[in-house]
Amino acid sequence: AQTVTQSQPEMSVQEAETVTLSCTYDTSENNYYLFWYKQPPSRQMILVIRQEAYKQQNATENRFSVNFQKAAKSFSLKISDSQLGDTAMYFCAFMNRAGGSQGNLIFGKGTKLSVKP
Amino acid sequence: EPEVTQTPSHQVTQMGQEVILRCVPISNHLYFYWYRQILGQKVEFLVSFYNNEISEKSEIFDDQFSVERPDGSNFTLKIRSTKLEDSAMYFCASSGGTLTYYGYTFGSGTRLTVV
Repeated sequence: AQTVTQSQPEMSVQEAETVTLSCTYDTSENNYYLFWYKQPPSRQMILVIRQEAYKQQNATENRFSVNFQKAAKSFSLKISDSQLGDTAMYFCAFMNRAGGSQGNLIFGKGTKLSVKP
Repeated sequence: EPEVTQTPSHQVTQMGQEVILRCVPISNHLYFYWYRQILGQKVEFLVSFYNNEISEKSEIFDDQFSVERPDGSNFTLKIRSTKLEDSAMYFCASSGGTLTYYGYTFGSGTRLTVV
């Protein structure tokens, strides 16, 4: 069974600084997606970024980028120029794509990020 | 941008009562899901639904739970006899085609409180 581990329950960063959130996962599959979701106090789940396992190039979305290390099964999220609005829970998630189907997401326990002014 | 809509945003129910949570997925999506998040814990998969039937379910999704797509637009989660431990945030999600990733979108959630 696949598992997702986020080893940092809480982190903080100063506004405008850079922070990296860690995520590791365990799978025997070769075809999968990885995601980072943001959950602000409103508790809505907002997609931040996704990465297809077959792509070697790391995904980027504006200030958000990932460091995807497939062999190490590591998928960290880097937030550059942190803003107060980035304060939220961040969840790493895995989706198996075996057979081309869209499966369920397996989430880590989350990292609570606080951006300090 | 298309949204997944969930109603109600907050529901309070008495233990033992039946509750129905409603979701309107994105119209051209084919896969529908329910997830649960107990306060302070991680998001957990409950069930996925495709082609008018359950395609996968977790251990959490026992006989007290059922899902239905009654009219081609709504997707509902029913809990027959609620327990205190069913108190959680319930998220509906939908995603697109079978061969290409068309997006996995979550609704804003229904907070269920069982008293």
